[in-house]
Amino acid sequence: GENVGLHLPTLSVQEGDNSIINCAYSNSASDYFIWYKQESGKGPQFIIDIRSNMDKRQGQRVTVLLNKTVKHLSLQIAATQPGDSAVYFCAEGDTGRRALTFGSGTRLQVQP
Amino acid sequence: ETGVTQSPTHLIKTRGQQVTLRCSSQSGHNTVSWYQQALGQGPQFIFQYYREEENGRGNFPPRFSGLQFPNYSSELNVNALELDDSALYLCASSAGDVYEQYFGPGTRLTVT
Repeated sequence: GENVGLHLPTLSVQEGDNSIINCAYSNSASDYFIWYKQESGKGPQFIIDIRSNMDKRQGQRVTVLLNKTVKHLSLQIAATQPGDSAVYFCAEGDTGRRALTFGSGTRLQVQP
Repeated sequence: ETGVTQSPTHLIKTRGQQVTLRCSSQSGHNTVSWYQQALGQGPQFIFQYYREEENGRGNFPPRFSGLQFPNYSSELNVNALELDDSALYLCASSAGDVYEQYFGPGTRLTVT
């Protein structure tokens, strides 16, 4: 299958632990941020999003934190499971550019 | 609800040839964006189509072109293929703007 993320930073966690994946974004004008999960051989899967007028948003087992002061985004995954193993990308967007700009990605490896 | 589909899954072409990739958007979505993902990297925005018109373009040469049809499906055409065009080509659909883009599984293009 598709080998996504050959030389990406890797975060290795034990099953059941919490995971935190970080991302620095570049454009101060970005007003929308998304986290995607990409498994080998598949397209990116939408996980959670956040608008620039928020600093925290929670989903099922996931939380996204946004710090606009330092242009930093993080994804927290609670009780990490083997099925969470994948490459995670943050993406930023604004309506002016009509596009999402993706970060370089982080590989999450969950050890059983 | 039908998700984003792409065809073909894999394709091998020779340098200098032309290729057409196809995408069917998710039910209810009228906007299609195309991205190129090189091995080990995040997706790069090629262009977006909204109501059959190009609605934004990334830093790709004119030999990358596209179409959107009345049913919101889309094609990506690449002329005069180069070895560096080898990548995973992703289609994403959304409902009218840049936000909440949902990706298809991608087409893996190999240029030899």
